[in-house]
Amino acid sequence: NAGVMQNPRHLVRRRGQEARLRCSPMKGHSHVYWYRQLPEEGLKFMVYLQKENIIDESGMPKERFSAEFPKEGPSILRIQQVVRGDSAAYFCASSPLRLNTEAFFGQGTRLTVV
Amino acid sequence: KNQVEQSPQSLIILEGKNCTLQCNYTVSPFSNLRWYKQDTGRGPVSLTIMTFSENTKSNGRYTATLDADTKQSSLHITASQLSDSASYICVVSEGDNNDMRFGAGTRLTVKP
Repeated sequence: NAGVMQNPRHLVRRRGQEARLRCSPMKGHSHVYWYRQLPEEGLKFMVYLQKENIIDESGMPKERFSAEFPKEGPSILRIQQVVRGDSAAYFCASSPLRLNTEAFFGQGTRLTVV
Repeated sequence: KNQVEQSPQSLIILEGKNCTLQCNYTVSPFSNLRWYKQDTGRGPVSLTIMTFSENTKSNGRYTATLDADTKQSSLHITASQLSDSASYICVVSEGDNNDMRFGAGTRLTVKP
């Protein structure tokens, strides 16, 4: 049973480009969470999704950021028109229930905007 | 203001020594508290999870304590090893939804 898989591990984008980050949850997990970690800072909640539904996006910026978790395939965190301030590590976690049990994290995608 | 405060922010100890990391929280209502270890460039990995009724839980050389009355938790590391160098993150889950609230972490460096 593979763990939470995130790709790419590293992503470099120029200002104004789009970034697409993928997260494949553990087998049997239908709940996905995205977090952002700025250098030297803690993890900050962005969005919580179940299959085909956004449950809580209170931590996600209103503009340029969007997330989806389709019926088939990985969850996608999409950042349009990236700016330097978007440079961070983005982590995805998955769980079988809404955090009543263990949440497992992926290895993260490190986004660098140049 | 962050609902989960960790101290110290960073800590350097010699290999073989013990250390204790602190976590104070104001999250309410409380559901559970977890300690995660995050190696540089990696995702967090769970060390312990404690519910309201648990005072202490061990995982090898890691022992976590919880005082739900004072809303404090500690993580004690015994006989530290070089591989213990990492960030240790306290996470408190809130309410019926178990929404996780993250501390900023303590960065531990173990030196030979």
